Amino acid sequence: KNQVEQSPQSLIILEGKNCTLQCNYTVSPFSNLRWYKQDTGRGPVSLTIMTFSENTKSNGRYTATLDADTKQSSLHITASQLSDSASYICVVSAITIEEKLVFGKGTKLTVNP
Amino acid sequence: NAGVTQTPKFQVLKTGQSMTLQCAQDMNHNSMYWYRQDPGMGLRLIYYSASEGTTDKGEVPNGYNVSRLNKREFSLRLESAAPSQTSVYFCASSVGGKNYGYTFGSGTRLTVV
Repeated sequence: KNQVEQSPQSLIILEGKNCTLQCNYTVSPFSNLRWYKQDTGRGPVSLTIMTFSENTKSNGRYTATLDADTKQSSLHITASQLSDSASYICVVSAITIEEKLVFGKGTKLTVNP
Repeated sequence: NAGVTQTPKFQVLKTGQSMTLQCAQDMNHNSMYWYRQDPGMGLRLIYYSASEGTTDKGEVPNGYNVSRLNKREFSLRLESAAPSQTSVYFCASSVGGKNYGYTFGSGTRLTVV
């Protein structure tokens, strides 16, 4: 069964600190892995998309890594800001005839001053 | 750039009432999607339209119908609302094919009493 598991479920950090969110998946055939940021009351916004051959991709203070062998990904946030408070969703794409997205439940990050 | 626009943002229905959620995108995307997001669960695909003139069922289509009115607009209809359809509904669009980003609307929060 295609599944995406994220950890931790929630995380509280102080402003300026770094943090790392984890994503494990059992999705096949694998096409790509995406990280989304979802602010409260808003729709998800794309941070990164990585294909099988990509190990790391950055978007400002966000750096995603992918290990396709172990089926793990991480999202590292550097020098956190209050505006980073949001849910971060890992999404893995399987592709047969058409692309199918499998969503994780998300990690809720709170950045406190 | 408006991106993906959803209306209404909030709605309360009584059990058995019907309503249509509207979605429009201005990015000339081929593919459009309807998802629902429930507490403690990842986003689940209700219906999608890979291109103008086509629609297909997703993971949880029961109780819903869709119409791809033209390339820009994709509506979701609840014919006889049930409390189990209380959720946040997101419309999304994509160029289509694999490895392209999805753009999400800001959501419709629906409560069925």
